[in-house]
Amino acid sequence: KAGVTQTPRYLIKTRGQQVTLSCSPISGHRSVSWYQQTPGQGLQFLFEYFSETQRNKGNFPGRFSGRQFSNSRSEMNVSTLELGDSALYLCASSLTGGPTGYTFGSGTRLTVV
Amino acid sequence: AQSVTQLGSHVSVSEGALVLLRCNYSSSVPPYLFWYVQYPNQGLQLLLKYTTGATLVKGINGFEAEFKKSETSFHLTKPSAHMSDAAEYFCAVTMNSGGYQKVTFGTGTKLQVIP
Repeated sequence: KAGVTQTPRYLIKTRGQQVTLSCSPISGHRSVSWYQQTPGQGLQFLFEYFSETQRNKGNFPGRFSGRQFSNSRSEMNVSTLELGDSALYLCASSLTGGPTGYTFGSGTRLTVV
Repeated sequence: AQSVTQLGSHVSVSEGALVLLRCNYSSSVPPYLFWYVQYPNQGLQLLLKYTTGATLVKGINGFEAEFKKSETSFHLTKPSAHMSDAAEYFCAVTMNSGGYQKVTFGTGTKLQVIP
């Protein structure tokens, strides 16, 4: 079965712009989580969606937002980009979260210049 | 609250030597425990997991981990390191929080394998 697909794979944006990243989970998976990974901060949890509802959120400013569609595909949006937003953004899907573990996509590498 | 501590952000071993990556957790309820591996510019891949039952769990690529409740540990081991094992490894704990499962990742351990 197809894995978790994240698009685009690489992205370069200018400060002040906004960006939308996409994640298609494994078929049947209803939980989608987003993480930001940087060399200095490691893996940081952004938010989790389950059946189109955000059920958990990390400590990120309101510039970071997300949504999930009825087919479980998810998008995250970052507005007013800052240099510090440069990171690898990872999406992870799961049947329900928890004991089944997560399947991660290959990530979107965002560079803000 | 739950937390995960990975001892050693960098570990170096010789090819053929034992790999031991340490993970300790804190959790107020029985947790689910996971190890993930990440290769450069890739996402995380599930290596193994402990949910219930046998405390020694075997994963992919010859790795295994033992859940020791008394020590609140879930260390990852492999008898003989291969060059292809060079990657970053993350320990994670999941527990029930407010009716759903919340996962916490450790800060990761980069494994270097020296030929």
